[in-house]
Amino acid sequence: DIQMTQSPSAVSASIGDSVTITCRASQGITIWLAWYQQRPGKAPKLLISAASTLQSGVPSRFSGSGSGTEFTLTINSLQPEDFATYYCQQANIFPLTFGQGTRLDIK
Amino acid sequence: QVQLQESGPGLVKPSETLSLTCTVSGDSISTGTHYWTWIRQPPGKGLEWLGNVYYSGTTNYNPSLMSRVSMSVDLSKNQFSLKVTSVNAADTAVYFCARVLPLYCGGDCYQYYLDHWGRGTLVTVSS
Repeated sequence: DIQMTQSPSAVSASIGDSVTITCRASQGITIWLAWYQQRPGKAPKLLISAASTLQSGVPSRFSGSGSGTEFTLTINSLQPEDFATYYCQQANIFPLTFGQGTRLDIK
Repeated sequence: QVQLQESGPGLVKPSETLSLTCTVSGDSISTGTHYWTWIRQPPGKGLEWLGNVYYSGTTNYNPSLMSRVSMSVDLSKNQFSLKVTSVNAADTAVYFCARVLPLYCGGDCYQYYLDHWGRGTLVTVSS
């Protein structure tokens, strides 16, 4: 299985700040990576596919980058609705695997 | 719009079988344009992919559960289902069903993204 490791596990930030979350894969996955946002008590929502392709309706303050084994999710100008948990997922090899999640809290 | 809804018992006894159904609306499983998947999330923990099912009945399962999990489709009802046998407390989780968007990336390469999710249903394993 491909192991996905996110860092940090949790981060605190203020409204208007920028944050970057890192996801590392245990082997190269080209750009076949997704990012999901999960608000408390809700289902995950697909934000980004293919490492950097924003899904329809996702605000442009979200961006993704990376290839191979290292990927990042950056959120600029944090808004109240962005405080949630974020997961990466490798999208190429079964079993599909997720990172352990990064919780983004309001400072 | 595409909607998925999980249904099934919220409480299952240890050693018994967990059975859940996902009803799809706004899309037809029989078109064969998507896969259909189950994900679970133990309380306070991360996401675990359990497996996929295709309209033809073809499946892929997570090896960590392969001996205990099975999935199937009912095209007449536009539903797909999950069974997990011999459950124990570690199977307590919120179970999500989701639609999988397969994207071709050349050769024998496909990418799989979960683009629509159900709300999830909590299944507790307890006597």
